[in-house]
Amino acid sequence: EAGVAQSPRYKIIEKRQSVAFWCNPISGHATLYWYQQILGQGPKLLIQFQNNGVVDDSQLPKDRFSAERLKGVDSTLKIQPAKLEDSAVYLCASSLDMVETQYFGPGTRLLVL
Amino acid sequence: GNSVTQMEGPVTLSEEAFLTINCTYTATGYPSLFWYVQYPGEGLQLLLKATKADDKGSNKGFEATYRKETTSFHLEKGSVQVSDSAVYFCALSDLTGGGNKLTFGTGTQLKVEL
Repeated sequence: EAGVAQSPRYKIIEKRQSVAFWCNPISGHATLYWYQQILGQGPKLLIQFQNNGVVDDSQLPKDRFSAERLKGVDSTLKIQPAKLEDSAVYLCASSLDMVETQYFGPGTRLLVL
Repeated sequence: GNSVTQMEGPVTLSEEAFLTINCTYTATGYPSLFWYVQYPGEGLQLLLKATKADDKGSNKGFEATYRKETTSFHLEKGSVQVSDSAVYFCALSDLTGGGNKLTFGTGTQLKVEL
């Protein structure tokens, strides 16, 4: 069974630029999550989708971050404009439903200069 | 709110040594508890989990017991290998509010030497 796919794996941008990350969850998984992992810290949930609806986005900085999952499968996370403190690894995870184990992708490492 | 506290690393051990990584948590309700492992350059992989008090999760020689009375979920392995070198994250899941949010500790780096 294929795992969670993410792209790109690495991205370097300058502050105030925009960037987008893509995630393809495990087939059949209804729930999708985006986490931010800053160096030396544990991942922090940014947003959770159930199919194409948002369940929890309480820790998403909505002035600059946005995410969508239009057809209930793939998802994109966008940052516009980026700040230096957005440098982190962005992890996508999926689960069969909201109570099941989360499986993580390899992450996208973002460096903002 | 919920929180997870892990012992700080790095932890350096010789091959075949006994491993303990401490993890304690604070949570409302009855969370499930997890250990995830992150190998260099890779994403998080689920190592083991426990969903209720006194449950023991185990996988690949690692084990952890959900202790409600001490709010702990310490990770142990009787004999570590060089290939166990990685960062280990303790986490809890909270199903309140309809979500399934994982709250992670800061991670403990394990280095195993020959």
